[in-house]
Amino acid sequence: RKEVEQDPGPFNVPEGATVAFNCTYSNSASQSFFWYRQDCRKEPKLLMSVYSSGNEDGRFTAQLNRASQYISLLIRDSKLSDSATYLCVVLYSGTYKYIFGTGTRLKVLA
Amino acid sequence: ETGVTQTPRHLVMGMTNKKSLKCEQHLGHNAMYWYKQSAKKPLELMFVYSLEERVENNSVPSRFSPECPNSSHLFLHLHTLQPEDSALYLCASSPQTGGDEKLFFGSGTQLSVL
Repeated sequence: RKEVEQDPGPFNVPEGATVAFNCTYSNSASQSFFWYRQDCRKEPKLLMSVYSSGNEDGRFTAQLNRASQYISLLIRDSKLSDSATYLCVVLYSGTYKYIFGTGTRLKVLA
Repeated sequence: ETGVTQTPRHLVMGMTNKKSLKCEQHLGHNAMYWYKQSAKKPLELMFVYSLEERVENNSVPSRFSPECPNSSHLFLHLHTLQPEDSALYLCASSPQTGGDEKLFFGSGTQLSVL
């Protein structure tokens, strides 16, 4: 089983749609969780950290379920500029090991 | 953003060449990383340095040799690479202090080995 699993997509959605991505992780010692965004041939950029209580940043909402070992990202009112690959990242407690999922591709269509 | 600067952006090299990738971070972070990203694969951690000491070495072939002369600079020395080493190589840094664990990337080096 992969340490961090994501549906690779692509998710093709119209502008204005709401889309949700899930990510599961296998190591219960995982401590910190993040969503990164990566555009084609560019470096990953931090989108948001994921906190146990859930957190929101504008149109983006992240949730963490430790019992089921998954995290989610919800994007509301999708924009064309949201088209990218979204990477789920898990950091193991007391280590420097950031483990990346393969990413989920999102295409927002006009 | 110029927090983490990587050079060169693109590199083409033959299998007998020796080259080096350079990374510099201007964020005052304690930890620096090398990652490899191949097509359709997740980012693979290669090396981690914390305060200039190597703390992770993920079974990387010896043809990749990291160097961390100080907490702001990181190098990846390449020699006798193979075509399958062609990939995007990403440098990153993180604070690793006070619970702030966000990872920041440089723009990457797209490496092609002929």
